[in-house]
Amino acid sequence: QSVLTQPPSVSGAPGQRLTISCTGSSSNVGAGFDVHWYQQVPGTAPKVLIYANDNRPSGVPDRFSGSKSGASATLAITGLQAEDEADYYCQSYDNRLSGAYVFGSGTKVTVL
Amino acid sequence: QVQLQESGPGLVKPSETLSLTCTVSGGSISNYYWSWIRQSPGKGLEWIGYIFYTGRANYNPSLKSRVTFSVDTSTNQFSLKLTSVTAADTAIYYCARGSTNNYYRAYFDYWGQGTLVTVSS
Repeated sequence: QSVLTQPPSVSGAPGQRLTISCTGSSSNVGAGFDVHWYQQVPGTAPKVLIYANDNRPSGVPDRFSGSKSGASATLAITGLQAEDEADYYCQSYDNRLSGAYVFGSGTKVTVL
Repeated sequence: QVQLQESGPGLVKPSETLSLTCTVSGGSISNYYWSWIRQSPGKGLEWIGYIFYTGRANYNPSLKSRVTFSVDTSTNQFSLKLTSVTAADTAIYYCARGSTNNYYRAYFDYWGQGTLVTVSS
């Protein structure tokens, strides 16, 4: 059972806007720790899409954006493309016990 | 360009020890936190732990009793040992770099390609 909660799946037609939520608690996202987002195409390693809540690494299209409020974060994909079909994970830091990195449960994005 | 490569046996017997090594090229292992992350077939990502280049390590509480990391700065490698494995430890194991030595702010900016380890007799 993942510490960060994401919807199992979302879908949309090409060109549409999708959002994926990531809900944490007072020991991780709600404590002010950054949220990062990864895209994983099946059979490959995850790739960072958004870091520190709302920052895009170079090379990531500006169709991807992130935001954070309280104990939740959101990844938005605008102008959905077929190549965006993948699994998406959020990640943060949790300060319980000795501290640890935690991932979301993952969201499968399907382009209809 | 930093590259990471996992290596080790792809098949481990139940109750034995899983051992993997990650070789870092294109950059120094110093001044970064290095993590192991695994993904069971069809499942999500699970952080196993990290090790700093100084050897200081921190482990996921759910695995802490069975896992040990080590680092060798002379060879730019770090390693994972997981004892008393069961079928539940069957997964793709990734090594990854933490983006900053402010570990609580870090994300994983470089990943290995992953290696599948199957636990079976």
